[in-house]
Amino acid sequence: DVKVTQSSRYLVKRTGEKVFLECVQDMDHENMFWYRQDPGLGLRLIYFSYDVKMKEKGDIPEGYSVSREKKERFSLILESASTNQTSMYLCASSSPGPGGNQPQHFGDGTRLSIL
Amino acid sequence: DQQVKQNSPSLSVQEGRISILNCDYTNSMFDYFLWYKKYPAEGPTFLISISSIKDKNEDGRFTVFLNKSAKHLSLHIVPSQPGDSAVYFCAAMGRGADGLTFGKGTHLIIQP
Repeated sequence: DVKVTQSSRYLVKRTGEKVFLECVQDMDHENMFWYRQDPGLGLRLIYFSYDVKMKEKGDIPEGYSVSREKKERFSLILESASTNQTSMYLCASSSPGPGGNQPQHFGDGTRLSIL
Repeated sequence: DQQVKQNSPSLSVQEGRISILNCDYTNSMFDYFLWYKKYPAEGPTFLISISSIKDKNEDGRFTVFLNKSAKHLSLHIVPSQPGDSAVYFCAAMGRGADGLTFGKGTHLIIQP
């Protein structure tokens, strides 16, 4: 089974802090993703990466950055946390696969509160 | 603009009956569609997917139907069981490694 592990289930930070959310996958997947989930909005893509040191902006990248120094690890960084970044953050990974598309597998999420 | 729409925020179905969850999309470039199930405080769990070259995919109690001309897909669960109570997300993607575009979810409640 694919295992995607997010380092924290719950996190509380203060406005203006620099926040790091860590994600590790154990299936040697090339692709990794960060989403946020908000009530009534579903999941929205923040950033994704299809290789080490590569990154692509998703639909809502403003206020975030990412780092992928190793294949198994994908970090989301809130440069200066703001209250509107209070949310559930979900990391996912996938492999391109022979057919081109494969399902993404998700971690259990980090519920981040910015005070 | 919402590219993937789930117009029913919630759905209540009696145990043992069929649950039908619907999803519409607007982007013609989508060619791979997925359904995820999510319990509170957990990440989404992949259920079933379908490629645009098919119109039906079945896995046990779960069947997904795709109507490309109508840009519509549906998830059928039969028979519905109490453990099926969860939020179901429809998702879509185009070719390549782009992320998924999700609908807002439908909360399925299975009543005994």
